[in-house]
Amino acid sequence: KAGVTQTPRYLIKTRGQQVTLSCSPISGHRSVSWYQQTPGQGLQFLFEYFSETQRNKGNFPGRFSGRQFSNSRSEMNVSTLELGDSALYLCASSSGTDNEKLFFGSGTQLSVL
Amino acid sequence: DQQVKQNSPSLSVQEGRISILNCDYTNSMFDYFLWYKKYPAEGPTFLISISSIKDKNEDGRFTVFLNKSAKHLSLHIVPSQPGDSAVYFCAALHSGYALNFGKGTSLLVTP
Repeated sequence: KAGVTQTPRYLIKTRGQQVTLSCSPISGHRSVSWYQQTPGQGLQFLFEYFSETQRNKGNFPGRFSGRQFSNSRSEMNVSTLELGDSALYLCASSSGTDNEKLFFGSGTQLSVL
Repeated sequence: DQQVKQNSPSLSVQEGRISILNCDYTNSMFDYFLWYKKYPAEGPTFLISISSIKDKNEDGRFTVFLNKSAKHLSLHIVPSQPGDSAVYFCAALHSGYALNFGKGTSLLVTP
């Protein structure tokens, strides 16, 4: 079974631009969660989608948004990028009924210059 | 507001010895706890978990202990191996809500 796939692996943007990150969950998984990892801050929850609906949301500004498609693939968008948005963005999938066991992708490393 | 705290950013242990990683939480509603392991340039991988109705769960070299009254859990690795060198994240869950992660502890196991 293929794991969680995130694209791209690396991304360099400049302040003010916007970015879209993609995540393909494990086949059969209906829940996709997004986390931001920065040095010293651990993994901070952004949002979770289940069957195309946002089910949970963390404490991030509205510049961070996401969506999920009917095939469970998910995208995350960040608009008006700031230097502080530089981070590793991790996507995790689960069946949605057993949310404890999240399976993570390798992440997208975003650098904002 | 950090509800899951890992107060030791790093830990160094000799190969063959016991590694003890600690985690504290503040939310008494948490009912499920997990440990994840992360290597550089990879996503975290699930290691071991424990339900709040238990106080210990063991899986090979890894044992997690839960002290609900102290809101404290720990991960014991015995014996430690160089391949265990990684960042370990403690996480806690309240049913229906997202996983809360700590900031991680970087474990270095030296030969």
